[in-house]
Amino acid sequence: DSGVTQTPKHLITATGQRVTLRCSPRSGDLSVYWYQQSLDQGLQFLIQYYNGEERAKGNILERFSAQQFPDLHSELNLSSLELGDSALYFCASSARDRGGFGYTFGSGTRLTVV
Amino acid sequence: GQQLNQSPQSMFIQEGEDVSMNCTSSSIFNTWLWYKQDPGEGPVLLIALYKAGELTSNGRLTAQFGITRKDSFLNISASIPSDVGIYFCAGMNYGGSQGNLIFGKGTKLSVKP
Repeated sequence: DSGVTQTPKHLITATGQRVTLRCSPRSGDLSVYWYQQSLDQGLQFLIQYYNGEERAKGNILERFSAQQFPDLHSELNLSSLELGDSALYFCASSARDRGGFGYTFGSGTRLTVV
Repeated sequence: GQQLNQSPQSMFIQEGEDVSMNCTSSSIFNTWLWYKQDPGEGPVLLIALYKAGELTSNGRLTAQFGITRKDSFLNISASIPSDVGIYFCAGMNYGGSQGNLIFGKGTKLSVKP
């Protein structure tokens, strides 16, 4: 157990729908990062939050949004889902805003859009 | 944007063999990290490197931060079946994109008993 909790573990939904993925960072970590991993692809950085504020943005679609709450958990909202959004979505956390000591990853949410 | 070239993409080796994989970048990184991802799980940090030329070991794993700061390699000695997985390199440049890691596309390792 890495200490980073992601729910749900699996999600199957239809095109056009909206889903919310949840992440609880490791105790004491203030930064949360979201990554997308498609089949046979590497890890694509989506967005980072640090202590409730957006800190860095990667290749995140406009249909996707995220937030970090006062208790530091984070949610990734995916809307108007398309077949190509099917992927593993990982959340990671680190103690500081730069993560130079490495990120701790959760086990991921596998999203299947049908 | 910054990109990492990780090679090889995949490897099929016999148990007991040594493994070597590397990562190169067109730009300088201040930190290199190596992760392993088991099937159905998130990546787990194996080794972190913070200084050019640094050589660090973690059991049978050894990684080096290249002198040019544009490359890193990971060696696994005497491979065993549980080494199977995808190995990712990741680089970070504090002067660049606010501290997020850039990941390579991974090296998929298969070990034949």
